[in-house]
Amino acid sequence: NAGVTQTPKFQVLKTGQSMTLQCAQDMNHEYMSWYRQDPGMGLRLIHYSVGAGITDQGEVPNGYNVSRSTTEDFPLRLLSAAPSQTSVYFCASSSLRGTNYGYTFGSGTRLTVV
Amino acid sequence: AQSVAQPEDQVNVAEGNPLTVKCTYSVSGNPYLFWYVQYPNRGLQFLLKYITGDNLVKGSYGFEAEFNKSQTSFHLKKPSALVSDSALYFCAVRDRMNYGGSQGNLIFGKGTKLSVKP
Repeated sequence: NAGVTQTPKFQVLKTGQSMTLQCAQDMNHEYMSWYRQDPGMGLRLIHYSVGAGITDQGEVPNGYNVSRSTTEDFPLRLLSAAPSQTSVYFCASSSLRGTNYGYTFGSGTRLTVV
Repeated sequence: AQSVAQPEDQVNVAEGNPLTVKCTYSVSGNPYLFWYVQYPNRGLQFLLKYITGDNLVKGSYGFEAEFNKSQTSFHLKKPSALVSDSALYFCAVRDRMNYGGSQGNLIFGKGTKLSVKP
């Protein structure tokens, strides 16, 4: 089925560990982004990309890296995990052409940093 | 800067009654407006959008929203609430003039929890 696939669904990390959250889409969308969701805070943009080889920072980029080597994949890297990064992470994609201007979301990754 | 306000953290409605979830926005240009719903432990699902045209937009599951440019609002409504409508609802805005650029990201409100009681 077409959509956005996120892995893993759950992860527990120790403080200082690094990991990569994977995101892949098969809709040929130019735009991809990562959000984190925290209670009472809504969704906050971490990083985004408008095409392969192009990335930029969102509202809360500190502690995270991204790259976009292909149209399909947009991994999010935590360099040195901190308890403040405990959150639910969502990847989203969107076409920048046509008339469908909304996002398609992945099912999320629930990350706990202890 | 773009922003979205959802003034109510929670809305409580009895089943069968009409519901309204409020949203106001601020963008420098003309907006693209969206409503998403999130059920417990799930991702966000698209409900409806306003791009252009009629101010009353109809979406999934019987929901509708009215775009009011003068009040910069985009309230979500449903004539008769169901218990299964209980979820977290997010309003979001995208700046049409900067679509695809650095200001073209979707900005979300903090969410409103809708609780529908039998």
